[in-house]
Amino acid sequence: QVQLVQSGADLKNPGASVKVSCKASGYTFTDYYIHWVRQAPGQGLEWLGCINTDSGVTNYAQMFPGRGTMTRDTSISTAYMELSRLRFDDTAVYYCARERDTAIVTWGQGTLVTVSS
Amino acid sequence: QSVLTQPPSVSGAPGQRVTISCIGSSSNIGAGYDVHWYQQLPGTAPKLLIYGNNNRPSGVPDRFSGSKSDTSASLVITGLHTEDETDYYCQSYDSGLSHWVFGGGTKLT
Repeated sequence: QVQLVQSGADLKNPGASVKVSCKASGYTFTDYYIHWVRQAPGQGLEWLGCINTDSGVTNYAQMFPGRGTMTRDTSISTAYMELSRLRFDDTAVYYCARERDTAIVTWGQGTLVTVSS
Repeated sequence: QSVLTQPPSVSGAPGQRVTISCIGSSSNIGAGYDVHWYQQLPGTAPKLLIYGNNNRPSGVPDRFSGSKSDTSASLVITGLHTEDETDYYCQSYDSGLSHWVFGGGTKLT
């Protein structure tokens, strides 16, 4: 079945970088965009951006440029989201998600990134 | 402040009907972009509940329905079940921002 499996939880110091992976299975990876969404503790969903898994073209939310990068490796059907210069308020669960017709039809299990000194 | 505005909470008794609104603007819902709804149970990833304004994925009970008009959309849940008590989010695209947007979420009690 269609699955997105993300890397495990991570604890980082402020100013460090984190890279979250998202391995897809059960479908043709390059047929669908991958989006990244985060959810801070007790808060709502925040869209971070997306990547065209075929061309590699990205579209980032306004908060992302300069600190975040989305990439993919089509040979292993895996997407990545890297966030640098981490701040305390970057603490959140980060989800990767597969889009179909502008809706998210498949979600990863989420990766908790904790920024703490 | 979310681009799409949802009430923070709504409530209803088992068996009743509730409506969750999602108010946008002329650059998102009013521009004709589709609205999708997600249900998020505690500690889990969101799940697609309604797509394309008023379509249910397979497996979603017909108690859930969606609609869209002008610059707003609504999620209606009829015949409330206790397991419906959780968080709901709307999502669309905003042409002014050139990216996806979520509502702030609504907790159904």
